Amino acid sequence: KNQVEQSPQSLIILEGKNCTLQCNYTVSPFSNLRWYKQDTGRGPVSLTIMTFSENTKSNGRYTATLDADTKQSSLHITASQLSDSASYICVVITRGGNTGKLIFGQGTTLQVKP
Amino acid sequence: GAVVSQHPSRVICKSGTSVKIECRSLDFQATTMFWYRQFPKQSLMLMATSNEGSKATYEQGVEKDKFLINHASLTLSTLTVTSAHPEDSSFYICSASTHLMGLPYEQYFGPGTRLTVT
Repeated sequence: KNQVEQSPQSLIILEGKNCTLQCNYTVSPFSNLRWYKQDTGRGPVSLTIMTFSENTKSNGRYTATLDADTKQSSLHITASQLSDSASYICVVITRGGNTGKLIFGQGTTLQVKP
Repeated sequence: GAVVSQHPSRVICKSGTSVKIECRSLDFQATTMFWYRQFPKQSLMLMATSNEGSKATYEQGVEKDKFLINHASLTLSTLTVTSAHPEDSSFYICSASTHLMGLPYEQYFGPGTRLTVT
């Protein structure tokens, strides 16, 4: 069964600190993996997209890693800001048909406190 | 580029009435549009996939007669919740996909519509 599991479920950190969110998946066939940021009451916004051959990808203060052998990914946030408070969703896209299929993790809720 | 809009952003309706939500791709032609539902503290759940000019494909457990989807053009899809009940209250998000740009299977998400049924 295709599954994406994220940890922790929720996280509270102080402004300026770093944090790392984890994503484990069992999805086949694999196309690519994405991290999304979803603010409360808004749609998801893409942070990073990683294909099978990519190990690391950065987008500003966000750095994602992918280990395709162990089927694990992480999202590292550096020097957190209050605006980073949101839900972070790991999504694995499985190949198939014209549109593939998105397998969503449950998300990690991050709260950054001053 | 790749902007998807939804209208309205929030709507309150009475039980038994119908409500229509629009999803538009503003700067690209979407060959496929998706409708998701999200309950509090849960992730997005795919409801249906629609291709322009053809009938939508619904996920298991989603009532096609209750959630009517129309994908009349390459830039517009609508979701109509018929005879809404309080349990239909949720956050509805659409996304759009095109094979003409972006990575394979790229989906661009709209900002969502908060539906409250009283």
